[in-house]
Amino acid sequence: GAGVSQSPSNKVTEKGKDVELRCDPISGHTALYWYRQSLGQGLEFLIYFQGNSAPDKSGLPSDRFSAERTGGSVSTLTIQRTQQEDSAVYLCASSLGGDYRLGGYTFGSGTRLTVV
Amino acid sequence: DQQVKQNSPSLSVQEGRISILNCDYTNSMFDYFLWYKKYPAEGPTFLISISSIKDKNEDGRFTVFLNKSAKHLSLHIVPSQPGDSAVYFCAVLSGNTPLVFGKGTRLSVIA
Repeated sequence: GAGVSQSPSNKVTEKGKDVELRCDPISGHTALYWYRQSLGQGLEFLIYFQGNSAPDKSGLPSDRFSAERTGGSVSTLTIQRTQQEDSAVYLCASSLGGDYRLGGYTFGSGTRLTVV
Repeated sequence: DQQVKQNSPSLSVQEGRISILNCDYTNSMFDYFLWYKKYPAEGPTFLISISSIKDKNEDGRFTVFLNKSAKHLSLHIVPSQPGDSAVYFCAVLSGNTPLVFGKGTRLSVIA
């Protein structure tokens, strides 16, 4: 597609339930990033995929968070046993390569997750 | 510990005047600096960038200044327009690592 697509745009879930957030990057972009923005906070890095390399998971806040990227394209971020502090806007971005200078990041519109 | 600090959560400016948004960073290894703009319910969009070998980059109404000795970055918007009202994020980069963002500054341009 023309841009980065994220679904759903909004998700309300009960505490303790699992959720899956989806990201469709721009075709041909080898790098994919997940960030989240909690209320009053900046964009917090979560995880980064680059081609076939092992993902950089250094930003994942707990082992309840995981992500995969199938076939080098679509990515799914999974949050298990959701907690209220997981409420945030989850943003996905893709770029042409691992070096930002090759083309920069294109962000999706995000998924607003609310845990009640 | 925050690597990128935007100490002003909000800023209000009259239309036509200059908006100055500030950003401080802690790591002298950062070598590329960017500003992103975000409207509600949209993803951030790239605005302007500067590499560490420069101290100024200009693009129309937007100018970014870099003071490496002070580890300080600023974005000047002149003249400010109501459509500039948004949240502005400073971001920094070192090598191939993911962008590190500040907390953002909400700019309101008052007509």
